[in-house]
Amino acid sequence: AQSVTQLDSQVPVFEEAPVELRCNYSSSVSVYLFWYVQYPNQGLQLLLKYLSGSTLVESINGFEAEFNKSQTSFHLRKPSVHISDTAEYFCAVRGSNYKLTFGKGTLLTVNP
Amino acid sequence: EAGVTQFPSHSVIEKGQTVTLRCDPISGHDNLYWYRRVMGKEIKFLLHFVKESKQDESGMPNNRFLAERTGGTYSTLKVQPAELEDSGVYFCASSLLGGFGQFFGPGTRLTVL
Repeated sequence: AQSVTQLDSQVPVFEEAPVELRCNYSSSVSVYLFWYVQYPNQGLQLLLKYLSGSTLVESINGFEAEFNKSQTSFHLRKPSVHISDTAEYFCAVRGSNYKLTFGKGTLLTVNP
Repeated sequence: EAGVTQFPSHSVIEKGQTVTLRCDPISGHDNLYWYRRVMGKEIKFLLHFVKESKQDESGMPNNRFLAERTGGTYSTLKVQPAELEDSGVYFCASSLLGGFGQFFGPGTRLTVL
């Protein structure tokens, strides 16, 4: 069985500041890791994923996440956030079966 | 290409009534999943279809929930009779066979009064 812990339920930051959203997972098997984002009044969108290979993965809108096997973490970072990044972010893990196990979500609020 | 669509977007019903949620996956996606988020909790897996067959229904809460996917295209999730604790947002997702990324619909917000 897998589990995901998102340590921060809410993260308020100012525009152009850096941000890190933390995610830790536990699993007895190899996993695939995902970050999803839900903008206000929209559905979940896949932001980025780690399947294998390079431990650093990037999204098209400037976010990156690093898979750290020894620390069982997959933290999401962005060096400079915009107002439009305000959303709820979900970390998820998938094992050998297909189902995703999600964390509780982190609400990122970017203030001007 | 159209994404995953769900209908209705919102549903408000009274305890004891029946509600049916519909999901249309991305064309060509044989995998279809249902998830639910109860307020304040994490998004939880309900079940997984491969084409018209239920691959994994370990997350279904109880026998008041019935999911179908006739013909391997759209899926329905019926709740009968609805209880207060069934309130939440129901998400549908789809993916290709062997695909790793699941594409989610906008969700159906169900409120049971």
